[in-house]
Amino acid sequence: TQLLEQSPQFLSIQEGENLTVYCNSSSVFSSLQWYRQEPGEGPVLLVTVVTGGEVKKLKRLTFQFGDARKDSSLHITAAQPGDTGLYLCAGALGYSTLTFGKGTMLLVSP
Amino acid sequence: DAGVIQSPRHEVTEMGQEVTLRCKPISGHDYLFWYRQTMMRGLELLIYFNNNVPIDDSGMPEDRFSAKMPNASFSTLKIQPSEPRDSAVYFCASSVAQETQYFGPGTRLLVL
Repeated sequence: TQLLEQSPQFLSIQEGENLTVYCNSSSVFSSLQWYRQEPGEGPVLLVTVVTGGEVKKLKRLTFQFGDARKDSSLHITAAQPGDTGLYLCAGALGYSTLTFGKGTMLLVSP
Repeated sequence: DAGVIQSPRHEVTEMGQEVTLRCKPISGHDYLFWYRQTMMRGLELLIYFNNNVPIDDSGMPEDRFSAKMPNASFSTLKIQPSEPRDSAVYFCASSVAQETQYFGPGTRLLVL
């Protein structure tokens, strides 16, 4: 059983479209991180959310942590081909290590 | 800064052979993590070190896997003997005090 479920698994859209991907769990996390992984590379941290209900923005990307700190969403406005990649969420339980979801593979076509 | 360095980037070997993966963490980082990534299971933590000491190896699949960190600038992950089901991408990551983890580019292992 996967601790963190990400949906959808795959998403293929056209440039300019908006999208939202989700990260859900039955566990409460002390913090949650989002990473982007490009083909042939390791994951790169995008953001860390800590407080329930917290919203963070990174240019066209908006991250939200659920009020109960069990889920999170990532919304991309006006997607661009450069947004293509595998988006991973990772949760921390207290001071323990991170648990990763399987990711959402996003393909943005010109 | 050169970031986390892993070698080799690609490894193709035959079942039964020994495989050694290498990692050089970012200078000054006191945590080092080894992960394995597959389509089926995603990114899984295998083992992590703090100040060169193994802290949690509960993710190591079986006794065929071993990891060492002889000093602050070098770690190895060894598989002996290797099996086809070990085929995956292996990542090394380092951090300061379990804050942001910086991942290396990974080693793509194929065991035939």
